[in-house]
Amino acid sequence: TQLLKQSPQFLSIQEGENLTVYCNSSSVFSSLQWYRQEPGEGPVLLVTVVTGGEVKKLKRLTFQFGDARKDSSLHITAAQPGDTGLYLCAGAGYGQNFVFGPGTRLSVLP
Amino acid sequence: DAGITQSPRHKVTETGTPVTLRCHQTENHRYMYWYRQDPGHGLRLIHYSYGVKDTDKGEVSDGYSVSRSKTEDFLLTLESATSSQTSVYFCAISSPGLYTEAFFGQGTRLTVV
Repeated sequence: TQLLKQSPQFLSIQEGENLTVYCNSSSVFSSLQWYRQEPGEGPVLLVTVVTGGEVKKLKRLTFQFGDARKDSSLHITAAQPGDTGLYLCAGAGYGQNFVFGPGTRLSVLP
Repeated sequence: DAGITQSPRHKVTETGTPVTLRCHQTENHRYMYWYRQDPGHGLRLIHYSYGVKDTDKGEVSDGYSVSRSKTEDFLLTLESATSSQTSVYFCAISSPGLYTEAFFGQGTRLTVV
């Protein structure tokens, strides 16, 4: 069974601060996705990383895939209250199924 | 946004009754999934489908069954609801490609009393 761990579990910061959340596994994934979920809604795909060492930027969000394709990080610069939510990582193997991490719950206070 | 509709959005039911949740997609995606989301457990796969009438079990399939008679519809049935099945249920879709991405519905909050 592939397991994904995310840290920290909870994070509460002030608007304008920077933060990094982590997604780690002992398994290799063909790709890894990051999702954001707001209360009462389903997860929404933010980005997919595929290549070991890959870095993708989405405005103030920077995503990195580890060289060995077992881990990933999400860095948010100058966090805003609109970034508040549950951040989930999901690893895809070499089929069509995913394994999800438990998520990092981020709260950005104005 | 991907065209995925879940119904109902909220349901309260009694222990021992059967319950069916519906997922409808307008994207013609081949793969469909049912997940449940619980505090401390994240998203756990219940069942998935890789085509019409082709389904398989996920990691938490006990007490659940599924059916897919059309590409666009994937039904999840709780054969005899128990309180441990109180949860938020999400449907997701994906298509085969170079890499796999899932698109989720808005969820169904089910309470078994």
